[in-house]
Amino acid sequence: EVQLVESGGGLVKPGGSLRLSCAASGFTFSSYSMNWVRQAPGKGLEWVSSISSSSSYIYYADSVKGRFTISRDNAKNSLYLQMNSLRAEDTAVYYCARGAEAVAPFDYWGQGTLVTVSS
Amino acid sequence: EIVMTQSPATLSVSPGERATLSCRASQSVSSNLAWYQQKPGQAPRLLIYGASTRATGIPARFSGSGSGTEFTLTISSLQSEDFAVYYCQQYNNWPPRITFGPGTKVDIK
Repeated sequence: EVQLVESGGGLVKPGGSLRLSCAASGFTFSSYSMNWVRQAPGKGLEWVSSISSSSSYIYYADSVKGRFTISRDNAKNSLYLQMNSLRAEDTAVYYCARGAEAVAPFDYWGQGTLVTVSS
Repeated sequence: EIVMTQSPATLSVSPGERATLSCRASQSVSSNLAWYQQKPGQAPRLLIYGASTRATGIPARFSGSGSGTEFTLTISSLQSEDFAVYYCQQYNNWPPRITFGPGTKVDIK
């Protein structure tokens, strides 16, 4: 059974940093692209970042470029999102999601981890 | 950026009735269009990809159609578990600039 479990969310002050993790199991992690998608409270879905299976290709939404860094460790079956210079508008539930094809669509999702940016 | 719009914002349907949801792209996305279902407090679930291919385990009452800029998700006979928010997603750009529609909430009439 495919499982994706996010962790690392919490309350952080504006300008602060946080590192999210996503532990994958039930599939060959190193064969799939992975993604982060966020959802602000009561709002819709926003794609954040994608990383190819071997980390050769990395992409970001303009809203996070230069502040967030996606990475993965295939030996540990883990995906990460380093978030720096956090803003109030980054407050959201962050989901990791597996890419079914080159990047999308996203066929499996974790349960999400909440990031709250507030003073 | 490709902007996705969905209509209606809310669709009120009785159980057993047919529901038709629309999604429009600001420019052609070919067939690189997916539909997701999200229930309160849950992660989204992939329903349809490639505009018309059902994902694994998705019931046949869900069907997708369209290409280019106009897409439709049809639920042929709504079940109680189908009341949820539905999002379309395009993944046509390269490099990827994946975008979602704002969602259509399907609620009980």
